[in-house]
Amino acid sequence: AQSVTQLGSHVSVSEGALVLLRCNYSSSVPPYLFWYVQYPNQGLQLLLKYTTGATLVKGINGFEAEFKKSETSFHLTKPSAHMSDAAEYFCAVSKAAGNKLTFGGGTRVLVKP
Amino acid sequence: KAGVTQTPRYLIKTRGQQVTLSCSPISGHRSVSWYQQTPGQGLQFLFEYFSETQRNKGNFPGRFSGRQFSNSRSEMNVSTLELGDSALYLCASSLDGGQYEQYFGPGTRLTVT
Repeated sequence: AQSVTQLGSHVSVSEGALVLLRCNYSSSVPPYLFWYVQYPNQGLQLLLKYTTGATLVKGINGFEAEFKKSETSFHLTKPSAHMSDAAEYFCAVSKAAGNKLTFGGGTRVLVKP
Repeated sequence: KAGVTQTPRYLIKTRGQQVTLSCSPISGHRSVSWYQQTPGQGLQFLFEYFSETQRNKGNFPGRFSGRQFSNSRSEMNVSTLELGDSALYLCASSLDGGQYEQYFGPGTRLTVT
């Protein structure tokens, strides 16, 4: 069974500082990997995904993530945090067949002015 | 292109009652998945429907059921509601295959009293 671990349920960063959110997965085969963001009282919005090819993936709003198979990781970064980045972020994996997403526990990001 | 819509957005029910939630996917998407989000358990997969057939099912009791219509619209039903069923229920639609991102609706907030 697949599982996803996000290290740190809460992260506090200063505006302009680096945002680093950690995600590790366990899977018997290389999965497809996703990062979603959720703003209060809203659904989830896709930030970026890794399916195949280049292991450094760029997403929306200046976010990027790197797939490291040897470390079974897919950490999310943004060089400079903005107040609008305050939200909850979810890492998720899926297998090739079907559309079942397995989510990590989520990391809530607080951005301090 | 219109996004995923869910109705109703908010619902208050009493223990023992049943409830039906509705989801309209993005046009052209034949896969619809349902997720339950709670503070304690996070995001959990309920089930996925594809072409009117349940293709995947999560680890939820039989009180949770769903269906999909020929136009890909989906409903989920929860019978004999329990307090623990209070949650945000998210619907997502996608193309077929785990490599495709899922597009989430805004969710239905169910409160069971």
